[in-house]
Amino acid sequence: KQEVTQIPAALSVPEGENLVLNCSFTDSAIYNLQWFRQDPGKGLTSLLLIQSSQREQTSGRLNASLDKSSGRSTLYIAASQPGDSATYLCAVPLGGGGNKLTFGTGTQLKVEL
Amino acid sequence: DVKVTQSSRYLVKRTGEKVFLECVQDMDHENMFWYRQDPGLGLRLIYFSYDVKMKEKGDIPEGYSVSREKKERFSLILESASTNQTSMYLCASIVGQGISGYTFGSGTRLTVV
Repeated sequence: KQEVTQIPAALSVPEGENLVLNCSFTDSAIYNLQWFRQDPGKGLTSLLLIQSSQREQTSGRLNASLDKSSGRSTLYIAASQPGDSATYLCAVPLGGGGNKLTFGTGTQLKVEL
Repeated sequence: DVKVTQSSRYLVKRTGEKVFLECVQDMDHENMFWYRQDPGLGLRLIYFSYDVKMKEKGDIPEGYSVSREKKERFSLILESASTNQTSMYLCASIVGQGISGYTFGSGTRLTVV
């Protein structure tokens, strides 16, 4: 059974700091990995999707990497801003492929002025 | 951009009521999903559908049913609402097999009293 773990569970940083969020998964035979952002009381917004053939994806100040062999992904946020405060979740396909996802429990990020 | 619309942001229902949660997507996606999200438990899959009139149970289907009469609409039904079904409900859709990522709706916060 695929299990996804995110560390740390919560993180508080001063504005401007670069930071790394971690995601690990137990079954490395995955098609892709997706990072989401969730604001309090809202739905999930997709940030980045990394296919299994890729090592990383970038969108603005966000960079996500994928190391299938070690079962790990990182989300790097450069020059953090208060608007980045949210919960960040990673997800991988259940059983490696297909469309059912297994989610991590998330990292709650707070960026302080 | 793909849009997934959940008809209600907040709902309050009484124990024993039959409750319908509606979800509509506008990009002809084959696959649609219903998740619930609870503190400490993360996102859990209730049901999903891979085509019109096709459905499959997720991890926690008990107490729920679904309907997909048209491709764009996927309804979650609580046959007799109970207080332990108070939760955030999230609908999502995706096209293809791992080709692209999930798109989520903004969520429905259901309270059963």
